Amino acid sequence: QVQLVESGGGVVQPGRSLRLSCAASGFTFSSYGMHWVRQAPGKGLEWVAVISYDGSNKYYADSVKGRFTISRDNSKNTLYLQMNSLRAEDTAVYYCAKGLRTTKPGIASPWGQGTLVTVSS
Amino acid sequence: AIRMTQSPSSFSASTGDRVTITCRASQGISSYLAWYQQKPGKAPKLLIYAASTLQSGVPSRFSGSGSGTDFTLTISCLQSEDFATYYCQQYYSYPRLTFGGGTKVEIK
Repeated sequence: QVQLVESGGGVVQPGRSLRLSCAASGFTFSSYGMHWVRQAPGKGLEWVAVISYDGSNKYYADSVKGRFTISRDNSKNTLYLQMNSLRAEDTAVYYCAKGLRTTKPGIASPWGQGTLVTVSS
Repeated sequence: AIRMTQSPSSFSASTGDRVTITCRASQGISSYLAWYQQKPGKAPKLLIYAASTLQSGVPSRFSGSGSGTDFTLTISCLQSEDFATYYCQQYYSYPRLTFGGGTKVEIK
């Protein structure tokens, strides 16, 4: 079955960097677009970024553009999110999610269990 | 950016009730709408996509309808495991996705 496992979260000071990883298994990772979605404590869901199946196309929410970079290593079945210049408002649980189908990349399913990033001095 | 507005933001219901949650888009999105269920401490789970297509494995008591700007998620007979928060999400403007603010269904 499809499994997505995020890692790399933790407590980081404002202005510092952090890299999240999402290890994928149970499907042909190199065939699917992948998303990062975050959820601040007690708040709703916010889409962060998406990357195409081959890594050639990447798109970001305005709130993270220029600070975050999404990437993937299809040889390792792993998705990444490099987060630079972190701010307190980036504090959230970060989920990776698979595009439902190759022809329906805008639908996220399934999702990983999430990893918590806390930006605090 | 397309804004998604859900109503109500929360409500109480009893097991066995028929409940309806509404989602409105700030502009027409055809049927490019998905619904997700999230339980406390858990990741969201896809229920419905294309406004009315039930995701595999989701109970048939869940249904979705609508197109354009107005959409509904209906649970025909609320079960104890359905108490959760529900989110709508548009993918008309893919790759930029937007979610509604969520509707929390609580036990009366």
